[in-house]
Parts: sequence; C-alpha cells; structure tokens
Amino acid sequence: DAKTTQPPSMDCAEGRAANLPCNHSTISGNEYVYWYRQIHSQGPQYIIHGLKNNETNEMASLIITEDRKSSTLILPHATLRDTAVYYCIVRNFLSGGGADGLTFGKGTHLIIQP
Amino acid sequence: DTGVSQDPRHKITKRGQNVTFRCDPISEHNRLYWYRQTLGQGPEFLTYFQNEAQLEKSRLLSDRFSAERPKGSFSTLEIQRTEQGDSAMYLCASSSGGLAGITDTQYFGPGTRLTVL
Repeated sequence: DAKTTQPPSMDCAEGRAANLPCNHSTISGNEYVYWYRQIHSQGPQYIIHGLKNNETNEMASLIITEDRKSSTLILPHATLRDTAVYYCIVRNFLSGGGADGLTFGKGTHLIIQP
Repeated sequence: DTGVSQDPRHKITKRGQNVTFRCDPISEHNRLYWYRQTLGQGPEFLTYFQNEAQLEKSRLLSDRFSAERPKGSFSTLEIQRTEQGDSAMYLCASSSGGLAGITDTQYFGPGTRLTVL
C-alpha cells in the first residue's frame, strides 16, 4: 500500500469547516483512499473512502485530486466532538483481496476550538 | 447497536502473568483482525482471520501471543508471560469480506487497554 503524509496537528473553530489534507503521491490505480478517526481512548471509527470521484456521506466529504496524488477530508460544520486523530490510509484491494491489515501512520490531531 | 465488542475494556496484570482478551465481531462478518496500539502511535496490525482460519500474522506477533477463532465467530487473543512492553491498547476489527478488487471496510471495537506492572 502507498504511503501517506499528513500534518501532525491542526486547529479549527467550532462551526467552521475542517479541511484535513493528505498526500499520497505514490498511489496506484488500484488503491483506495480511506479515512478513519480516533477519539481519545476509543477504537478507530470509519469515516469515508473513495477511489477517484469525490464522495460524501453523513459524516464528511472526501475530495480527491484529479491526479489522485492528494485528498482532503472535509467536516462541514465542526463540533467539539470532532476533536480526534484523523488517519488517511491508502488501500490496495487487488493484492490478497484486501484481506490484510491496515497501515496507520500517526495521523492528524484535529483540535476544535470553542 | 451491534458493532464490534471487546472484553474486558481494561486489564491490569503483573509481569509474567497470562492474559486473554475476547472480541465479538459484527454479526455475519467473516473477517476478523487484531491490532495493537501504543501511546502516541497509530494501530499496528497483528493478525487476521477469515472465518476460523488464521491467514496472516505480523512479525509483531511474538511466540507469546496466540489468537484463535474456533467457530468463526468470536476470537480470543492470549498473551503468555506478559512483559511491561506488552502494555498497549489491543483493538479488534471485523469486515464482511469481499472479492479481490472490491473494497472491504474494517469496523473497530472499543479496544482493551492492557497495563502490565
């Protein structure tokens, strides 16, 4: 799976949109971009994933650049409960059918300020 | 909520003791994963089951660690002769499985926090 680079920390004001960047310049055509978050002392929570097109669900939007070398996770109206570590993971589902472990980096610690 | 559950949530033990953790995956998920997370780091993959078969083990899984999934439902992770370096959060995840090329999202449990004194 390709490597990802994320800023170690970010701040965002409550009620504003939080935009979390992720660089995955070595991504291959078979690799999906996944986002998880981990609130302190809890297990990681799945947020969203995508391959080429932008994706939106009830939690967030995922914007993937046309060359797929970077992506941005957008939390449209951040609340204090969104304070967490956010992990961007690139995943190849053709090798072994995706039946192996996820590779987590250190993620971005997003702090929502009141 | 029928998410992934783990038991116990916290375990304190003395060095040299054996401990066992349990994970109950989401119903009908045939894949189950174990991860370990130390302070300040992201989770690290330990091992994976497809139904009852253990198909992959990380080099992080030393001889003192053993995992089972006897009937393809719940799983146990045992650590023998615990060491202080085993202190960590142990996370379990499950997924529904899928054909190669189809995404397969892992859903995590709340974790078991182990402290070895």
